[in-house]
Amino acid sequence: EDQVTQSPEALRLQEGESSSLNCSYTVSGLRGLFWYRQDPGKGPEFLFTLYSAGEEKEKERLKATLTKKESFLHITAPKPEDSATYLCAVQGRAGSYQLTFGKGTKLSVIP
Amino acid sequence: SAVISQKPSRDICQRGTSLTIQCQVDSQVTMMFWYRQQPGQSLTLIATANQGSEATYESGFVIDKFPISRPNLTFSTLTVSNMSPEDSSIYLCSVTQGNTEAFFGQGTRLTVV
Repeated sequence: EDQVTQSPEALRLQEGESSSLNCSYTVSGLRGLFWYRQDPGKGPEFLFTLYSAGEEKEKERLKATLTKKESFLHITAPKPEDSATYLCAVQGRAGSYQLTFGKGTKLSVIP
Repeated sequence: SAVISQKPSRDICQRGTSLTIQCQVDSQVTMMFWYRQQPGQSLTLIATANQGSEATYESGFVIDKFPISRPNLTFSTLTVSNMSPEDSSIYLCSVTQGNTEAFFGQGTRLTVV
């Protein structure tokens, strides 16, 4: 059974204080690892897909990396508008499109 | 990326009643998915809706409780039947593009009283 564990559950940062969110996973045959941002009352917003260990992707202040056991979402010099819940999900089992999600990390960036 | 519209965005319903949630996509997609997000929990897949065939339900979810329709390649509905307060959740529609990328609607926040 695929499993995803995110840490920490919540993170408070001062504006400009860089940090990382962790996503540990176990999956049979990783097809893709996904990062989403979710604002209160809204659906998840797609950020990145990573497919293989060593891969990195960047978008503005966010950078996602992937190893064989975990992924990190690095946030550089965050701003208050980066405050949201960040969700990690994996897609395993060749032929299936099902995503297994973690519970998310709630990020608060204080001005 | 696909644009997904869900209706209603929120509703408050009496226990014992049913609610049908609609999901409209701006392009044709093969597979559509329905997820549930309970307070403080991760998203959980309810079922996969394929056009022209019956939906495939995940463990713990049954068709009598969550009937799904998929009349064409751009539209699907999820009905939450005989609701109880435990059904209070956010329900989300999702589609895939390409091999793996998945996009979500804005969700339907359901409160059962």
